[in-house]
Amino acid sequence: DVKVTQSSRYLVKRTGEKVFLECVQDMDHENMFWYRQDPGLGLRLIYFSYDVKMKEKGDIPEGYSVSREKKERFSLILESASTNQTSMYLCATVRQGGKKSSYNSPLHFGNGTRLTVT
Amino acid sequence: QKEVEQDPGPLSVPEGAIVSLNCTYSNSAFQYFMWYRQYSRKGPELLMYTYSSGNKEDGRFTAQVDKSSKYISLFIRDSQPSDSATYLCAMSDSIQGAQKLVFGQGTRLTINP
Repeated sequence: DVKVTQSSRYLVKRTGEKVFLECVQDMDHENMFWYRQDPGLGLRLIYFSYDVKMKEKGDIPEGYSVSREKKERFSLILESASTNQTSMYLCATVRQGGKKSSYNSPLHFGNGTRLTVT
Repeated sequence: QKEVEQDPGPLSVPEGAIVSLNCTYSNSAFQYFMWYRQYSRKGPELLMYTYSSGNKEDGRFTAQVDKSSKYISLFIRDSQPSDSATYLCAMSDSIQGAQKLVFGQGTRLTINP
């Protein structure tokens, strides 16, 4: 079974703080993703990475950056947290390599980090 | 207008009922369709996937795609309390690239014993 571990279940941060959300996977998957999930908006892709040190912007990258120094670890960084970044953040991986993960390869999600910015 | 629309519910039905969950979409290029199930305090997990139009059955679950109407459905027969979860539809115009998936808003379903 694929295990995707997000380091924190709940985080409370102040406006302007730098925030790191960590995700670790144990299945040697090439592709990793960061989504945020908000009521009424569903899942929206922030960034993804298809290899170590490779990253691409998703649909809502503004205010975020990412780091992938090792294959198993993908970090989401909020350079200066704002209240509109209060959300549930979900990390996911998928088995196939490069940008060519097939539609029927399931995304494996972590259990999420609920971030509150006050 | 969102590319994918899904009624957020909540939807509450008695145990044993047939449940119908639906999504509509606007992009006629979508041809790969998925349903994810998300239990409370967990990440989503893939439940079913289909390609193009037609039906696909897996146990008590049936996924249906009507491309002419840009409408997809998930039916749950003999619903159980363990089916209580949020159901998300997802779709893509490309066979390759999970990053191209577009998700619906999710429907929260409760099955009452």
